[in-house]
Amino acid sequence: AQTVTQSQPEMSVQEAETVTLSCTYDTSENNYYLFWYKQPPSRQMILVIRQEAYKQQNATENRFSVNFQKAAKSFSLKISDSQLGDTAMYFCAFWWNNNDMRFGAGTRLTVKP
Amino acid sequence: NAGVTQTPKFQVLKTGQSMTLQCAQDMNHEYMSWYRQDPGMGLRLIHYSVGAGITDQGEVPNGYNVSRSTTEDFPLRLLSAAPSQTSVYFCASSYFGQTGYTFGSGTRLTVV
Repeated sequence: AQTVTQSQPEMSVQEAETVTLSCTYDTSENNYYLFWYKQPPSRQMILVIRQEAYKQQNATENRFSVNFQKAAKSFSLKISDSQLGDTAMYFCAFWWNNNDMRFGAGTRLTVKP
Repeated sequence: NAGVTQTPKFQVLKTGQSMTLQCAQDMNHEYMSWYRQDPGMGLRLIHYSVGAGITDQGEVPNGYNVSRSTTEDFPLRLLSAAPSQTSVYFCASSYFGQTGYTFGSGTRLTVV
């Protein structure tokens, strides 16, 4: 069974600094996709970034980037130049070919002014 | 472009009552799913559909039914509500699952 683990229930960072959120997963699949979703207090789930397992190059989206280590089954999210609007729950998610996207338990990130 | 629309946003039910959570999308997505979100557990898949007329169970299907008569709509039915079904429910859709899902705004359900 595929599992996703986020070992940091809560984190905080000062505005304008960089923070890294950790995610590990367990799978025997070779072709899969990884995601980070953001859930602000509004409760809306927002896709932040997506990584294809067969691509070695790490995905980036503006201030958000990932460090994908396939052999280590690790998928961390780096947020650069943190902004107050980045305060949210962040969920790591894993998808493979059976339409069951598995989510981690989430990391609550607080950006402090 | 409305995206994924869920109704209602909030609901309180008594134990044993039944109800239907509505979900509609206007993006012509084939994939639709229902998740529940509980504190400390992330989101767990209840049921999903890969197209009209096709549904299947996810990780936590007990106590819930779904149907998919059209591409646009994917309602979730609670047959006999129990306090353990108190949760936030999300509907999501995708053109292809690997592209990532678009989520509705969620329904907070309380069963007393």
